[in-house]
Amino acid sequence: EVQLVESGGGLVQPGGSLRLSCAASGFTVSSNYMSWVRQAPGKGLEWVSVIYSGGSTYYADSVKGRFTISRHNSKNTLYLQMNSLRAEDTAVYYCARAGYSSSWRFDYWGQGTLVTVSS
Amino acid sequence: DIQMTQSPSSLSASVGDRVTITCQASQDISNYLNWYQQKPGKAPKLLIYDASNLETGVPSRFSGSGSGTDFTFTISSLQPEDIATYYCQQYDNLFTFGPGTKVDIK
Repeated sequence: EVQLVESGGGLVQPGGSLRLSCAASGFTVSSNYMSWVRQAPGKGLEWVSVIYSGGSTYYADSVKGRFTISRHNSKNTLYLQMNSLRAEDTAVYYCARAGYSSSWRFDYWGQGTLVTVSS
Repeated sequence: DIQMTQSPSSLSASVGDRVTITCQASQDISNYLNWYQQKPGKAPKLLIYDASNLETGVPSRFSGSGSGTDFTFTISSLQPEDIATYYCQQYDNLFTFGPGTKVDIK
């Protein structure tokens, strides 16, 4: 059974840092395209970042230069390092499988982890 | 960047009604479009991929069509469990979600 479990969310002050983790089971993270998607309270979905199976990474303009996506192959875990956090980064952060081979769709999602940026 | 719009932003319909949501891309995205359902407090769920393909296990009352810049999502007979917000998402150039359409029961 495929499962994605996020952790690492919490309350952080503006300008602070946080690292989110997403532990996967039932498939291999490094063989798939993996992504982070966030949802601010009461708002819609916003794509944040993707890491492709080959290792290439891409970011939304809103987080470029502040967030870093990575993976640990032996732990089968996806990460999102978030630096210079702002109030507008407050959201539930979901990890999701974004695709594999030539298939592009967010077909598996974690339960989400809440990040609150506030003083 | 590719922008996505959806209409309406919300709708109310009766059980058994046919419900249609439209999604428009700011440029030609071929059929590189997916549809998701999100219920309150839950993660999104993939319903339709590549504009018109039904994800495994999703009821056949859900369907999608379109290509280029204009897409349609349809629930053929609205059920109480379909109350949710629906999002389109393009993957022609990275990823962009539409703003969502909230569906309620009248």
